[in-house]
Amino acid sequence: AQSVAQPEDQVNVAEGNPLTVKCTYSVSGNPYLFWYVQYPNRGLQFLLKYITGDNLVKGSYGFEAEFNKSQTSFHLKKPSALVSDSALYFCAVRAGAGTALIFGKGTTLSVSS
Amino acid sequence: EAGVAQSPRYKIIEKRQSVAFWCNPISGHATLYWYQQILGQGPKLLIQFQNNGVVDDSQLPKDRFSAERLKGVDSTLKIQPAKLEDSAVYLCASSLARQGAGYFGPGTRLTVT
Repeated sequence: AQSVAQPEDQVNVAEGNPLTVKCTYSVSGNPYLFWYVQYPNRGLQFLLKYITGDNLVKGSYGFEAEFNKSQTSFHLKKPSALVSDSALYFCAVRAGAGTALIFGKGTTLSVSS
Repeated sequence: EAGVAQSPRYKIIEKRQSVAFWCNPISGHATLYWYQQILGQGPKLLIQFQNNGVVDDSQLPKDRFSAERLKGVDSTLKIQPAKLEDSAVYLCASSLARQGAGYFGPGTRLTVT
C-alpha cells in the first residue's frame, strides 16, 4: 500500500537558522512527490513538487526539497527560517499519474524570533 | 486566475441531519477531488472525478456519503445522515495535469453535534 510518513509532529527552529521537515514515502513505481503548507483556517497551499529530473527541487517562499530514491525520502528544507514560516506542513505522494494525493499526518513548524 | 471555490465555509448540524457542500474548481481543470481532513490528521481522499466520471471512490462511505459532478465542472458532496465522526474539514481540490499539483479550496468546516 502507498503511504507517506512524517516522523516529527513538531519542528522548532530559531529565526535565521536552517530548517528541515522530514518525509519518507512508500509507493510502487516512480513517485510524484509534493509539499503543501497550511495556515490556520486556510486551505492547503502548494509549495513544490518532484516529478522527474534534478533531485533538488526549488519551490515557493525559498523552500526546497531533496529527493533521495535510495532512502525513499523527500525532506523539505530552507536555508534561513522566518517567523512567518510557522505553519503546518504536509508531504504528499501520487503513486502514479492520475492517482490521488496521499498525505502524511503533517508536521507543525514553529519558528521563534 | 480564480482559485477553487467552496461553500459554505462553516456548517453546524445535528447528528442524523443531512448536509451538502459545493465546489467550483479552477477553470479547465478536468480532475476534481474531495478530501476529508479530521483535526490532527492529513487529508484523506473521499472521491476523485475525471471530468464527470468517478475515478476512485474506494474510501467514500457510500451508505451515507454521495457526490456528483454534473457537466464536468461544479461538484457537490452530500452526507445523509450525518454522524458525530463526520465532524471535519471537507476540502475540494482540482488539477490540470494527471501528475500535477492539486490546488485546494479553503474548505468547509463541518461540526456535527
